[in-house]
Amino acid sequence: QVHLQESGPGLVNPSQTLSLTCTVSGGSISSGSYYWSWIRQPAGRGLEWVGHIYSTGSTNSNPSLKSRVTISLDTSKNQLSLKLISVTAADTAVYFCARAQMGIPALLNWFDPWGQGTLVTVSS
Amino acid sequence: QSVLTQPPSVSGAPEQRVTISCTGSRSNIGAGSDVHWYQQLPGAAPKVVIYGSNWRPSGVPDRFSGSKSGTSASLAITGLQADDEADYYCLSYDTSLSGWVFGGGTKLTVL
Repeated sequence: QVHLQESGPGLVNPSQTLSLTCTVSGGSISSGSYYWSWIRQPAGRGLEWVGHIYSTGSTNSNPSLKSRVTISLDTSKNQLSLKLISVTAADTAVYFCARAQMGIPALLNWFDPWGQGTLVTVSS
Repeated sequence: QSVLTQPPSVSGAPEQRVTISCTGSRSNIGAGSDVHWYQQLPGAAPKVVIYGSNWRPSGVPDRFSGSKSGTSASLAITGLQADDEADYYCLSYDTSLSGWVFGGGTKLTVL
């Protein structure tokens, strides 16, 4: 059974870069056709899709964040990563990594499993 | 403001039935995108309770059901139990954004 675990700094200074890693265990990140995604949730608020990377390497991100987001796969480490530049307090949130289902078109797909999430606070 | 619209809160007494709506548009639910429902307990990651608009993962009670019509979808929970109290989110894919969108979430209170 695939397990996802997020990690990274819990505190980031404003205007700096938020960098998170999602370590995948129980399966290879390079096998199968999957959408690997980042989703975030500010405290007391709803879920927001941040972006995804498909197994082919193609990426897409939420238009509200697009110019600031980079998502990549490191197959040697079996990890997914997120970089968000020029952060502000509005980027403070719990960040989840999640995987969609294999071989199912995006139009029909959903996220499962999820990592437990990691809290990132943007503050000086 | 979320692309998918959910009521902020619903409530019901034990053993009653409640429904949570999720209203989208022609670029997501109306475009043929499936709707998926998540239950989130405090401090936990969301857990899928309905996928593909009306399918239940193994382990989810048959008290949970989903439906979709036009640009909207609904989650129904019958025989309400205290441990159903949670936040519920709908998820769908938006063809205009080329990405996924969530509803704003609905807090279910069991009276």
